[in-house]
Amino acid sequence: DAGVIQSPRHEVTEMGQEVTLRCKPISGHDYLFWYRQTMMRGLELLIYFNNNVPIDDSGMPEDRFSAKMPNASFSTLKIQPSEPRDSAVYFCASSYIKRTGAFGANVLTFGAGSRLTVL
Amino acid sequence: DQQVKQNSPSLSVQEGRISILNCDYTNSMFDYFLWYKKYPAEGPTFLISISSIKDKNEDGRFTVFLNKSAKHLSLHIVPSQPGDSAVYFCAASKFNFGNEKLTFGTGTRLTIIP
Repeated sequence: DAGVIQSPRHEVTEMGQEVTLRCKPISGHDYLFWYRQTMMRGLELLIYFNNNVPIDDSGMPEDRFSAKMPNASFSTLKIQPSEPRDSAVYFCASSYIKRTGAFGANVLTFGAGSRLTVL
Repeated sequence: DQQVKQNSPSLSVQEGRISILNCDYTNSMFDYFLWYKKYPAEGPTFLISISSIKDKNEDGRFTVFLNKSAKHLSLHIVPSQPGDSAVYFCAASKFNFGNEKLTFGTGTRLTIIP
């Protein structure tokens, strides 16, 4: 299995431009998460999907951010228009539910990330 | 509001000694805790986890301790090796269908000194 695949690995763009980040989750995983890593906030959840349906988008910073999952093998995170404060590493992760007795938790497998720089 | 806190941004430990990474949480509903390890230019990878019915879980050189009354968990690495140099993230969850997310801390950068 190739793991979670993200593209592009690096993106440098100018303020005001549209940015699209892509993710291919692990086959068979039914959850997909988008996280953003910054020094101040660590790994911050933006949105997650279950079976291609958005479940919680409360972490999406503002209307400039949107995410879609048209099928089980592909998701996009779009920023339009981009701003310098959006500069960060964006991670996609897919998961299954790990059950330990009565407990369950997502064990996320992360992609290598997309480093975005907005000038 | 940071519900999972890692108050030490960095830690340096001599090779062969014990590394102790700490994590505090504020949400008493969390019932499952995980540690992830991250190398530069890679995504975080799962390391070890613990459920709230336990106070200790061990996997080789890695042990996670949970103190529910203090809302505190720690990761012990013994003995520390150069390959352990990485950023370590603590994460927590309260699993319910419709609430499957993990809340992460800000990370601690561990440097093992040869």
